[in-house]
Amino acid sequence: AAGVIQSPRHLIKEKRETATLKCYPIPRHDTVYWYQQGPGQDPQFLISFYEKMQSDKGSIPDRFSAQQFSDYHSELNMSSLELGDSALYFCASSYYSNEQFFGPGTRLTVL
Amino acid sequence: QKEVEQNSGPLSVPEGAIASLNCTYSDRGSQSFFWYRQYSGKSPELIMFIYSNGDKEDGRFTAQLNKASQYVSLLIRDSQPSDSATYLCAVSPQGNEKLTFGTGTRLTIIP
Repeated sequence: AAGVIQSPRHLIKEKRETATLKCYPIPRHDTVYWYQQGPGQDPQFLISFYEKMQSDKGSIPDRFSAQQFSDYHSELNMSSLELGDSALYFCASSYYSNEQFFGPGTRLTVL
Repeated sequence: QKEVEQNSGPLSVPEGAIASLNCTYSDRGSQSFFWYRQYSGKSPELIMFIYSNGDKEDGRFTAQLNKASQYVSLLIRDSQPSDSATYLCAVSPQGNEKLTFGTGTRLTIIP
């Protein structure tokens, strides 16, 4: 069965640079969620989109923005990167219910 | 106090025995409850969800929910070494909404 696709899988950036993470949800899934998981931490909700509209917002820094496109894929844009942004970033998708299926994640390292 | 509390472990269980994982939550309005399994460096994998009070069984896994006590648990029967992972409890107010995770319980199955 098709799963959530995330790209890139690994990303290394310098402080103050920008990064764009991409997420392709499971086909027919209409809701996309972004989570950040720091080392030894639980996943923290950042932002979600339902039918291309922002549906909820969590602890997402103002330096980050996201959107969902007409083909339902989503992008998380991160600017002025800081060392503390180093983490695993997961995208999850769901359809109708709240059973969220996670992608493999993007490991972001900020040097 | 975190919204979702779990014993961080580590919890060690002999192979073939029953592993019991517990979770409490603070928001009485929570409607959806999930258990995710996460291997080190990998994404959370949905293994059980439960919406109603009582027990729900799926193979070797049983989820139990008691909304009056704000308590949800996961039992793993006939534990296998491959069950060794961190188990994350996640809670959501209702459908299509963000998940709030506990810090996870690290489970080790001893051969």
